[in-house]
Amino acid sequence: DQQVKQNSPSLSVQEGRISILNCDYTNSMFDYFLWYKKYPAEGPTFLISISSIKDKNEDGRFTVFLNKSAKHLSLHIVPSQPGDSAVYFCAASAWTSGSARQLTFGSGTQLTVLP
Amino acid sequence: DAGVIQSPRHEVTEMGQEVTLRCKPISGHNSLFWYRQTMMRGLELLIYFNNNVPIDDSGMPEDRFSAKMPNASFSTLKIQPSEPRDSAVYFCASSFYGGNTIYFGEGSWLTVV
Repeated sequence: DQQVKQNSPSLSVQEGRISILNCDYTNSMFDYFLWYKKYPAEGPTFLISISSIKDKNEDGRFTVFLNKSAKHLSLHIVPSQPGDSAVYFCAASAWTSGSARQLTFGSGTQLTVLP
Repeated sequence: DAGVIQSPRHEVTEMGQEVTLRCKPISGHNSLFWYRQTMMRGLELLIYFNNNVPIDDSGMPEDRFSAKMPNASFSTLKIQPSEPRDSAVYFCASSFYGGNTIYFGEGSWLTVV
């Protein structure tokens, strides 16, 4: 039972164009969402996040949009650069019974930015 | 600033051997997480600790897996005996208690032959 889904395993975009990565979730208890980027042979690194009380958060070339009613979020990268080529993980956070936040990850989308 | 430090980075071992993976969280962080990444299951949480206490180990696949956190700056994940299906990348991550963002180490790449 995947609570966080990234239905596109891969995405190719031309340099300079917009990259849009999508993520859907099912658990309405999630109240914080994050995107992580992962290069080969490295650990995931935090990229950007959004609280459920917002519908948009922007950081430089990266913008995350949240549609709570649709349980959908997306990451926009504009303009895309070859260095953005990586696997992008969507993650959702909720408080657990153990009084801690627990992250649930999607399966990842491999973004390739073509020069 | 030192991030999450994991060792070994790479481990190749024979089936049946004991494997111990080590993690040093970011100083000051009091929540620690062990994740496993495989092609089939993606990133899955194995266990997490708050203030050195294991809170949820429901992700630990079998009794062959165990984790300890004897102090705030050190944790181990042990597999005994190891099996080829345990081959994966094991990530340690840490955060402030209740923090929204967790920070990952570079991973320990385990191959069991």
